[in-house]
Amino acid sequence: QSVLTQPPSASGTPGQRVTISCSGSNSNIGYYYVSWYQQFPGTAPKLLMFRNNQRPSGVPDRFSGSKSGTSASLAISGLRSEDEADYFCAAWDASLTGFVFGTGTTVSV
Amino acid sequence: EVQLVESGGGLVQPGGSLRVSCAASEFTFSNFAMSWVRQAPGKGLEWVSSISGTGDYTYYADSVKGRFTISRDNSKNTLYLQMNSLTVEDTAIYSCAKAVFRGLYGGNYLDYWGQGTLVAVSS
Repeated sequence: QSVLTQPPSASGTPGQRVTISCSGSNSNIGYYYVSWYQQFPGTAPKLLMFRNNQRPSGVPDRFSGSKSGTSASLAISGLRSEDEADYFCAAWDASLTGFVFGTGTTVSV
Repeated sequence: EVQLVESGGGLVQPGGSLRVSCAASEFTFSNFAMSWVRQAPGKGLEWVSSISGTGDYTYYADSVKGRFTISRDNSKNTLYLQMNSLTVEDTAIYSCAKAVFRGLYGGNYLDYWGQGTLVAVSS
């Protein structure tokens, strides 16, 4: 059961900027860092962002993250066709004592 | 590069049991917490369970508490998920993930994932 809310889809043309929102509550995003995951069909999720805005090695700087209060967002600038994928946000939840994931957003280019 | 390979999935009848495993390599397994995450066909990600590096601490989603048991054998670099009293709602791909638990000041996240093993519950 998803506790974090994301828009089901987002789209843009090559080169545009797309932003994906992730809405939570005080027990998760409001309290803990947010991470983001990218998933292509039939493949395992890949860590895209951690600690709200930190990119693992190898992730292009076209991807950026931010957090404010109980919401977070992932931005993709200079959109490319290879960015077409599903994107999930996640955070630890103090009340559930576990991870909660977002509902997921499919990005189309 | 971190490797996580799941196995043990399959078809099981409602009410049945199954144990899935995750073989880890290319990192010091005992130093890291691990998690299981599942994804029902065409659905989103759902966290299932996590376990500390020593195995002393375990955490479960409400949907599986009392039915699933997470464990690890650090001598074999292997993570397990014992699933009992399975229902059709448990049908999903089960993936293991290496977890980073640094709490409020460092962040909790899943930095490497396996490809997953399919568990199908059906009569």
